[in-house]
Amino acid sequence: AQTVTQSQPEMSVQEAETVTLSCTYDTSESDYYLFWYKQPPSRQMILVIRQEAYKQQNATENRFSVNFQKAAKSFSLKISDSQLGDAAMYFCAYRSARETSGSRLTFGEGTQLTVNP
Amino acid sequence: DAGVIQSPRHEVTEMGQEVTLRCKPISGHNSLFWYRQTMMRGLELLIYFNNNVPIDDSGMPEDRFSAKMPNASFSTLKIQPSEPRDSAVYFCASSFRGSGSWEQYFGPGTRLTVT
Repeated sequence: AQTVTQSQPEMSVQEAETVTLSCTYDTSESDYYLFWYKQPPSRQMILVIRQEAYKQQNATENRFSVNFQKAAKSFSLKISDSQLGDAAMYFCAYRSARETSGSRLTFGEGTQLTVNP
Repeated sequence: DAGVIQSPRHEVTEMGQEVTLRCKPISGHNSLFWYRQTMMRGLELLIYFNNNVPIDDSGMPEDRFSAKMPNASFSTLKIQPSEPRDSAVYFCASSFRGSGSWEQYFGPGTRLTVT
């Protein structure tokens, strides 16, 4: 079974600075997808960024980028030019690409990000 | 474009009562997921459907929980009888199961409190 670990329960960053959230995962599969979701106080789960394991290039979405290290099974999220609206709980998630494994997402424990003005 | 719609947003009920949570997935999506979020267990998948058919219900905690998807645009999660330990936020998510990464889009959640 796959597991996802976020070792930082809480992180804080100054507005306009850069912060990196860590995520590691354990799997025996070679093809899979990784995601970062954001959950603000409204509770809405918002997809931030995704990464296909077969792609070597790190995904980027505006101020959000990932550092995907497949051999190390690491998938960190970097937020540049942090804004107050980035304050939220961030979840790392894994999904197998195998048909027989279905479509379930396995989530990490979450990292609570505080942005200080 | 409407996202995933869930109702009610909040539900407070007494132990022993029946609770029904509702979900309308994004139009055109063919997979639907029910998740539960608690402080103790985090986010966990309860059940998911492909083309209205339940595929994996191994996450459903006990027989008190049941889920249905009578058509492509509607699903329910029912708890009967409810217990205080069922208090949680229940999310519905949908995705298009085709080629690609099949991103799941979440609804706003239903906060259930069982007293």
